[in-house]
Amino acid sequence: QVHLVQSGAEVKKPGASVKVSCKTSGYTFTSNGISWVRQAPGEGLEWMGWISGYNGLTKYEQKVQGRVTMTTDKATNTAYIEVRSLRSDDTAVYYCARDWGYDILTGNINRGRGGLDVWGQGTTIMVSS
Amino acid sequence: EIVLTQSPATLSLSPGERATLSCRASQSISRYLAWYQQKPGQAPRLLIYDASNRATGIPARFSGSGSETDFTLTISSLEPEDFAVYYCQQRGSFGQGTKLEIK
Repeated sequence: QVHLVQSGAEVKKPGASVKVSCKTSGYTFTSNGISWVRQAPGEGLEWMGWISGYNGLTKYEQKVQGRVTMTTDKATNTAYIEVRSLRSDDTAVYYCARDWGYDILTGNINRGRGGLDVWGQGTTIMVSS
Repeated sequence: EIVLTQSPATLSLSPGERATLSCRASQSISRYLAWYQQKPGQAPRLLIYDASNRATGIPARFSGSGSETDFTLTISSLEPEDFAVYYCQQRGSFGQGTKLEIK
């Protein structure tokens, strides 16, 4: 059975950085990518970006590019997202999810299938002075 | 940047009724559209991928249709557990969501 287990909640001050982990199991990590999605309190879903589990290729949503870095550790089948220069509007639940939508080699759209089919439980990040 | 617009923002229906949710893309996305259901305090759940393919374990009352810029999620006969927020997503960005509430 496929599982994605995320690290615990954190409280950070404005200007700090945070790194969230997403440990995967039950499938071949290098066969898929991972997307990161966040949800501010009472708001909708915001896609932040995608990373290939095969070669670490990344795609970032324009709004967060430059402040966010996604990485993987193939030895532990874990994906990470780091957000720097935190602001109050970064307060949200951060989710990782297995993403079929992009080709793991090139980052191009996967014409075979798509969808974020398995999700982590979410990590609450609160930014407050 | 492709923008997804969902309508209506809120849909009020009774159990047993048919629900029709819409998602419109600002430019053609072929059939690269997925639908998700989210209940309070839970992670989203994939319902439909590539416009019309039901994900594993999703009941047959959920169906998706459409292509290019106009897409529809249909729930043929609402069960009590279907009242939730629904999101569409292209390869990347999400729509703003439709809240399906009990009338």
